[in-house]
Amino acid sequence: EAGVVQSPRYKIIEKKQPVAFWCNPISGHNTLYWYRQNLGQGPELLIRYENEEAVDDSQLPKDRFSAERLKGVDSTLKIQPAELGDSAVYLCASSEQWGAGYGYTFGSGTRLTVV
Amino acid sequence: GQNIDQPTEMTATEGAIVQINCTYQTSGFNGLFWYQQHAGEAPTFLSYNVLDGLEEKGRFSSFLSRSKGYSYLLLKELQMKDSASYLCAVNDAAGGGADGLTFGKGTHLIIQP
Repeated sequence: EAGVVQSPRYKIIEKKQPVAFWCNPISGHNTLYWYRQNLGQGPELLIRYENEEAVDDSQLPKDRFSAERLKGVDSTLKIQPAELGDSAVYLCASSEQWGAGYGYTFGSGTRLTVV
Repeated sequence: GQNIDQPTEMTATEGAIVQINCTYQTSGFNGLFWYQQHAGEAPTFLSYNVLDGLEEKGRFSSFLSRSKGYSYLLLKELQMKDSASYLCAVNDAAGGGADGLTFGKGTHLIIQP
């Protein structure tokens, strides 16, 4: 079974440029999460989807960040415009259902560097 | 607010045992997770505790005391490949926290020969 697939693996952009990250969750996983992990820190949730509905986006900086999950499968996270402080690893995770002891499965992440 | 504390770094010797502690203060509690994360890689699930007591899985064990807001991850027969960061995370679903899963900053474990 394929795991959570993310692309690109690395991205370097200049500040004020747009950037997008893509995630394909494990087949059958209804819940999808986007996390941001700064160096030396634990992951912090940005947004959670149940199927195609964003049920928790309270931590998403909506002035520059947006996300979508069309048809409840793949998801895209976008930053426009990027700032220097956005440099981090962006992790996507999925789970069969939210809140249960199943554990999440994380993708390998996209390491974003804004210069 | 939500607060999860764990040591920043620990060092242990190959073949030995190490215990990584985690204390938490969250407005809700619906289980505690431990994840392993090698440098540059994704976190991988290690264990889940929702009731008090010890859960054993091979060389790894995890303990939970809900009344004390305390957990530990015990690693036995340490191997060099166990060098990684270990993340403690609490599902605080009842507390209104985003997603219900709050991570600590992680403990960087260094295994020496």
